[in-house]
Amino acid sequence: TQLLEQSPQFLSIQEGENLTVYCNSSSVFSSLQWYRQEPGEGPVLLVTVVTGGEVKKLKRLTFQFGDARKDSSLHITAAQPGDTGLYLCADDMRFGAGTRLTVKP
Amino acid sequence: EAGVAQSPRYKIIEKRQSVAFWCNPISGHATLYWYQQILGQGPKLLIQFQNNGVVDDSQLPKDRFSAERLKGVDSTLKIQPAKLEDSAVYLCASSLAIMNTEAFFGQGTRLTVV
Repeated sequence: TQLLEQSPQFLSIQEGENLTVYCNSSSVFSSLQWYRQEPGEGPVLLVTVVTGGEVKKLKRLTFQFGDARKDSSLHITAAQPGDTGLYLCADDMRFGAGTRLTVKP
Repeated sequence: EAGVAQSPRYKIIEKRQSVAFWCNPISGHATLYWYQQILGQGPKLLIQFQNNGVVDDSQLPKDRFSAERLKGVDSTLKIQPAKLEDSAVYLCASSLAIMNTEAFFGQGTRLTVV
C-alpha cells in the first residue's frame, strides 16, 4: 500500500515570505496532483504532474516533480493571506495528510 | 456549470443510529468518489464508482458502511449503525474519467455522532 507523507504538518508564516512544502511517496507516483482545501470547502485542484523532473508554475506557485517520480514539492513565493489553507498531494485520488498553511497579514 | 451537490450539509445523530448522505455529481462525470475526512487529516477514500460499478471499496468498513450509485448518476452513502469515531466530514467528488483528470469536490457533509 502506497504511503504519502507530507511535510511539514503545520506552517505559519508572515505575508511576503517564501515557503516550500513537500510530498514523498513510498512508491513511484502514477500521476501526482496538488490540491488546496479551505475551511468548510472541498479540495480544489491546483496542478497535475506526470513526468519525472517536470516543473509547473501557477502564478506564485511552483510545483516540482522528482526525477524518480517519488517526491514532489510546492514552492510559494511572496505568500499572501489568501494562500492560507490545507495543501494536499494525491496520487490516483489517494491523499496525504496535508500541510496546513497559515499566512498572517 | 453546476458543481457537485451534497446534502445535508450538517447532521448530528446519536451513536447506533443510522444516517445517509446524498451526492449529485457533475453532469456527464462517470467517476464518483466518497471520502471520509477526520478533523486534522487528509481525505480517506472510501469507495470509487465508475458509472454504476464499484472500482475500489477496499477501505470501506463494510460491516457498517454501504454505498450505491443506481443508474450511474446520484449516489448515497449510508452508515448503520454509527459509532463515535464516524464523526467526520464526508466528501463526494466526481471526474470525467478515472486517470489523470481533474476531480471536483462538493462542500461535504459534516457528521457529528454523540
